[in-house]
Amino acid sequence: AQSVSQHNHHVILSEAASLELGCNYSYGGTVNLFWYVQYPGQHLQLLLKYFSGDPLVKGIKGFEAEFIKSKFSFNLRKPSVQWSDTAEYFCAVIRRSGAGSYQLTFGKGTKLSVIP
Amino acid sequence: SQTIHQWPATLVQPVGSPLSLECTVEGTSNPNLYWYRQAAGRGLQLLFYSVGIGQISSEVPQNLSASRPQDRQFILSSKKLLLSDSGFYLCAWRGLAGYTGELFFGEGSRLTVL
Repeated sequence: AQSVSQHNHHVILSEAASLELGCNYSYGGTVNLFWYVQYPGQHLQLLLKYFSGDPLVKGIKGFEAEFIKSKFSFNLRKPSVQWSDTAEYFCAVIRRSGAGSYQLTFGKGTKLSVIP
Repeated sequence: SQTIHQWPATLVQPVGSPLSLECTVEGTSNPNLYWYRQAAGRGLQLLFYSVGIGQISSEVPQNLSASRPQDRQFILSSKKLLLSDSGFYLCAWRGLAGYTGELFFGEGSRLTVL
């Protein structure tokens, strides 16, 4: 079965520190990859996504993620975090599971707390 | 533009009582619809998804059921709630035309079973 692993449950950083959140998936075929973010009291929203092409994907608010196929990874990065980046971050993977159907799997999430 | 609505936003129910959470999507037709449950430290668990009216797939056996009476309406139900049904429930949709795989989420419904 397909699985998505986010290795860090809770990350605490000071403002201006660099961020990298890990995400690994288990499926060996063609996948589409996503990072979603949930700010306190708000709904889940898409941060960035990878379908094909350049494996370095730029998202909103200065986030980026790099797809490394050989490592089955899609780590999220930001060079300098802000207090407003405090949120929970979810990695997700979608793959074709049959004719016209797709399997979407989420990681368990990483809570990021940024200290001013 | 497309929007998704969930209600109620907050619900407190006694054990054994019924449940109905409703989700509607506007601005799109024939969306794929999803119900997820979000638990702290456990991420998003897919409960049900629907590719069309009357078509429901269940991902995990449980005390809940789902129905899709109309193209843009998705309902999560229970006949008798359990304490373990407490949680944060999210409805989401994904369009088929120009498929991108991206899910759009509602604001969630927090259910507390006492």
